[in-house]
Amino acid sequence: ETGVTQTPRHLVMGMTNKKSLKCEQHLGHNAMYWYKQSAKKPLELMFVYSLEERVENNSVPSRFSPECPNSSHLFLHLHTLQPEDSALYLCASSQDLSYEQYFGPGTRLTVT
Amino acid sequence: GDSVTQMEGPVTLSEEAFLTINCTYTATGYPSLFWYVQYPGEGLQLLLKATKADDKGSNKGFEATYRKETTSFHLEKGSVQVSDSAVYFCALSDPFGTSYDKVIFGPGTSLSVIP
Repeated sequence: ETGVTQTPRHLVMGMTNKKSLKCEQHLGHNAMYWYKQSAKKPLELMFVYSLEERVENNSVPSRFSPECPNSSHLFLHLHTLQPEDSALYLCASSQDLSYEQYFGPGTRLTVT
Repeated sequence: GDSVTQMEGPVTLSEEAFLTINCTYTATGYPSLFWYVQYPGEGLQLLLKATKADDKGSNKGFEATYRKETTSFHLEKGSVQVSDSAVYFCALSDPFGTSYDKVIFGPGTSLSVIP
């Protein structure tokens, strides 16, 4: 048990669907992150939140929209995705920026 | 900017063999260094860390020593088991460098241990 949970664990969606990924951390951390992990590619940092404020957006397409309503919850809203968006989406949290990160199990997303 | 380089995989070893996965880094400040492990179907888990030069991180039989003179943080284990099959990521955080707001991950090294 890492203290970071993600739901759903698996998601299949069509290109016209709208869905959301949810992440919750039970560690009392101040920073949360979304990563994309594709086969044969390095881990891609998508978004960083510190104290519920977004501090980084790595040129992520607007079809991905993050939301951090409080320091324990992080969402990734998805709409009009492309097949190349199929990947494992990982959430992580850390005590503060630059501290070691604790990861959730990920959501395996397939876009059809 | 800050960066992490790892040896290319995949690495295949027989059970009880000695493991070394090389990791070198570039940083402008005084980074902390980490090794993460990702088992199949799971997220990344922190395996060990070292926060200053000459520190040795260790966990579950794995060790890595922070070598500032060679900017390295190589992962070692004396006798691997089949259950060690996973992907290993070297990473750094540099609060006073260009990656002040995030952890920089290497590309990962896949390890397969065969009985």
